[in-house]
Amino acid sequence: SQQGEEDPQALSIQEGENATMNCSYKTSINNLQWYRQNSGRGLVHLILIRSNEREKHSGRLRVTLDTSKKSSSLLITASRAADTASYFCATDASGSRLTFGEGTQLTVNP
Amino acid sequence: DGGITQSPKYLFRKEGQNVTLSCEQNLNHDAMYWYRQDPGQGLRLIYYSQIVNDFQKGDIAEGYSVSREKKESFPLTVTSAQKNPTAFYLCASSIKGQPYYGYTFGSGTRLTVV
Repeated sequence: SQQGEEDPQALSIQEGENATMNCSYKTSINNLQWYRQNSGRGLVHLILIRSNEREKHSGRLRVTLDTSKKSSSLLITASRAADTASYFCATDASGSRLTFGEGTQLTVNP
Repeated sequence: DGGITQSPKYLFRKEGQNVTLSCEQNLNHDAMYWYRQDPGQGLRLIYYSQIVNDFQKGDIAEGYSVSREKKESFPLTVTSAQKNPTAFYLCASSIKGQPYYGYTFGSGTRLTVV
């Protein structure tokens, strides 16, 4: 079953702008993770936020988590053309497996 | 360098044929996973294994089989019972019992039925 749902499905911005992607989920979680996938490649782990955390930063990435609303957002600041990829949220509800959302396709135009 | 290797990168299967996708990791991870990705879709879990000689069905296990005879290897067989096998298959691994680490993914195998 697909736990996470990303919004929007697709996002197109200009280089230098910020990109915000949202993820909603249905059940209680241990943590929520964000991954990036370049076309035709495997996924790369970006950042993990635990259920007792509200915000986390890593370089140009900022993730927030609102467990009361069962939602998370990923902000990429000062985007670059190289950030063009699909971004997936994944939830860990059991400690034994991740459930992925449908993804947001981000296009950053030079 | 440590990582996960999936092979082959591209695989073509005839109707009624079984094919096996390879996944090998040298990260000393206990847990391994197989996901299926269809075009423009998210990942769906096929099978996962937390320890050698043990594995569990995921959400879409029908038509697939796995084995976990070695810690480093988790091959996936797509059987003839899988009616729509054309997809991108991704293998991943993680540290068992550690819910605060991410998965490491291989680069995937693209399977096409011809």
